[in-house]
Amino acid sequence: AQSVTQLGSHVSVSEGALVLLRCNYSSSVPPYLFWYVQYPNQGLQLLLKYTSAATLVKGINGFEAEFKKSETSFHLTKPSAHMSDAAEYFCAVSDHRDDKIIFGKGTRLHILP
Amino acid sequence: DTAVSQTPKYLVTQMGNDKSIKCEQNLGHDTMYWYKQDSKKFLKIMFSYNNKELIINETVPNRFSPKSPDKAHLNLHINSLELGDSAVYFCASSQTLDRMGSPLHFGNGTRLTVT
Repeated sequence: AQSVTQLGSHVSVSEGALVLLRCNYSSSVPPYLFWYVQYPNQGLQLLLKYTSAATLVKGINGFEAEFKKSETSFHLTKPSAHMSDAAEYFCAVSDHRDDKIIFGKGTRLHILP
Repeated sequence: DTAVSQTPKYLVTQMGNDKSIKCEQNLGHDTMYWYKQDSKKFLKIMFSYNNKELIINETVPNRFSPKSPDKAHLNLHINSLELGDSAVYFCASSQTLDRMGSPLHFGNGTRLTVT
């Protein structure tokens, strides 16, 4: 069965610093991988997705993620954090065998002034 | 031009009552979902429908009954509400079944509080 592990339920970075949110997945077949962002009192928005094309995926708001099969990872990064990046971030996985997307437990990103 | 809209946004009710949440999408998608997000932000899929046909039915009490009158609508009816049903319920849609890697488009959620 597929699963996703997000390391760190809370991550704090200073404004302007590098953002790194970690995600490891488990899937016996090539996965589809997603990062979503949730702002307070809103639904989730897609940041980016990996569907077996380029391993480095660029998303909205300056975020990107790299698929590393050898490490079963799909970490999310942004070179310079902005106050508006403070939100909950979810990594998710699915594959061609199944009809559902499985979400990680989320990482709350705090931006320090 | 809201893509996925849910009503109501907030729902406060007493134990034992029956309530419904409505969802509509104008994206032309053929698959719709209900997710439950608990107080720890954990998201769990409840149901999915593809072209009005039930595809996913996770281990959810049968007090929860989804209904899809057409592929643009997916409603959720909950009977005999319990305290543990308090959560945020999200409707979502995707262009095809997830096995194609289609991303989900979420509504803004319905915060259900059972007292």
